[in-house]
Amino acid sequence: GAVVSQHPSRVICKSGTSVKIECRSLDFQATTMFWYRQFPKQSLMLMATSNEGSKATYEQGVEKDKFLINHASLTLSTLTVTSAHPEDSSFYICSAETGGAEDTQYFGPGTRLTVL
Amino acid sequence: KQEVTQIPAALSVPEGENLVLNCSFTDSAIYNLQWFRQDPGKGLTSLLLIQSSQREQTSGRLNASLDKSSGRSTLYIAASQPGDSATYLCAVDVGGGKLIFGQGTELSVKP
Repeated sequence: GAVVSQHPSRVICKSGTSVKIECRSLDFQATTMFWYRQFPKQSLMLMATSNEGSKATYEQGVEKDKFLINHASLTLSTLTVTSAHPEDSSFYICSAETGGAEDTQYFGPGTRLTVL
Repeated sequence: KQEVTQIPAALSVPEGENLVLNCSFTDSAIYNLQWFRQDPGKGLTSLLLIQSSQREQTSGRLNASLDKSSGRSTLYIAASQPGDSATYLCAVDVGGGKLIFGQGTELSVKP
């Protein structure tokens, strides 16, 4: 099956710094990728939809200037958490859509962000 | 606004039991519904996907049903095993690949 990777799997940073998380589709091209956030014991909340070559579409309540998304190629989308604060500590998961007739989403393994 | 609810939030059963997890959604205008499994600190594994035109899907010991008109889905797990212990999430596709997730049911199967 299709594989989606995320890097890093775990990151700890100081408050005020920026952190970049990569999401890659390893064996297929993904015109659309999605970014989710999951707080402990809670479900996944969609943050934004990322389309290759165009600006991301953010869900209501998600600050686009704080969570910068870049989808520069058909296999890579990045999420940058700018000026991170402790309340940004969360589990970030991406998914990539295969498109076409199958149109299936595959999820990455997630990135655990801890902001001190 | 679509809302997805899962009941129960947590479930503990002895090994071998058959069990049912419930998922309900408020807006029947969905493209499909999926059930996922999530192990602690890990990503999601897709278990079953039911298209909006379908009533059920089966994979091994798992059977998922969908009643779109009433906004309900169930995941039936037969002969549960300790390895089934995980959090089970249901999600509805509201279009454009956007998934709305429920809060999950944390399942523990005791040996």
